[in-house]
Amino acid sequence: DGGITQSPKYLFRKEGQNVTLSCEQNLNHDAMYWYRQDPGQGLRLIYYSQIVNDFQKGDIAEGYSVSREKKESFPLTVTSAQKNPTAFYLCATAPLGTGNNEQFFGPGTRLTVL
Amino acid sequence: ELKVEQNPLFLSMQEGKNYTIYCNYSTTSDRLYWYRQDPGKSLESLFVLLSNGAVKQEGRLMASLDTKARLSTLHITAAVHDLSATYFCAVEMGYGKLTFGQGTILTVHP
Repeated sequence: DGGITQSPKYLFRKEGQNVTLSCEQNLNHDAMYWYRQDPGQGLRLIYYSQIVNDFQKGDIAEGYSVSREKKESFPLTVTSAQKNPTAFYLCATAPLGTGNNEQFFGPGTRLTVL
Repeated sequence: ELKVEQNPLFLSMQEGKNYTIYCNYSTTSDRLYWYRQDPGKSLESLFVLLSNGAVKQEGRLMASLDTKARLSTLHITAAVHDLSATYFCAVEMGYGKLTFGQGTILTVHP
């Protein structure tokens, strides 16, 4: 079954804790992205990666970290430095190099800070 | 900095009516994408527009791209309740990076 999986679906964090959100894909796509969505708003890019062992900051990278050790996986860590982490987090992938950089989205993780 | 603006942000339509959502962007690009999001769900790809004058249609939705005017439109024909959702346009600026509009919340009522 091909696709993008994100886990967990819901995550609760106490203030001061780091948490890691998982994103896995079996589409063999080169690029992976992390977005944050706040209620009633559009998506904002946190980090993206176009190749294994390389990634770039997006528009709102402060308080977040990522790694890309495998093509299939792009975990996002929300650190205690992120002052307002409550949001819906979406992972996306894109094939690149095909002339069409359409992004495909996972089901999302809803993070709530208690 | 690329800015993407959608209007209207809220759209309440009667079933059977037609309407258009507009997506304006501030910097030259010839790649634009439309997505749909149902409440509490992820984004679903609707249309990929890759050149000036591109037009795509699927059911009651039709999208077009005018790169010279930096404008894309999403036209809804004879709206039905199932089209109620939030619609986003996203503009690509290279390296696969997308900048999203704020989204248009569409409600179709009898």
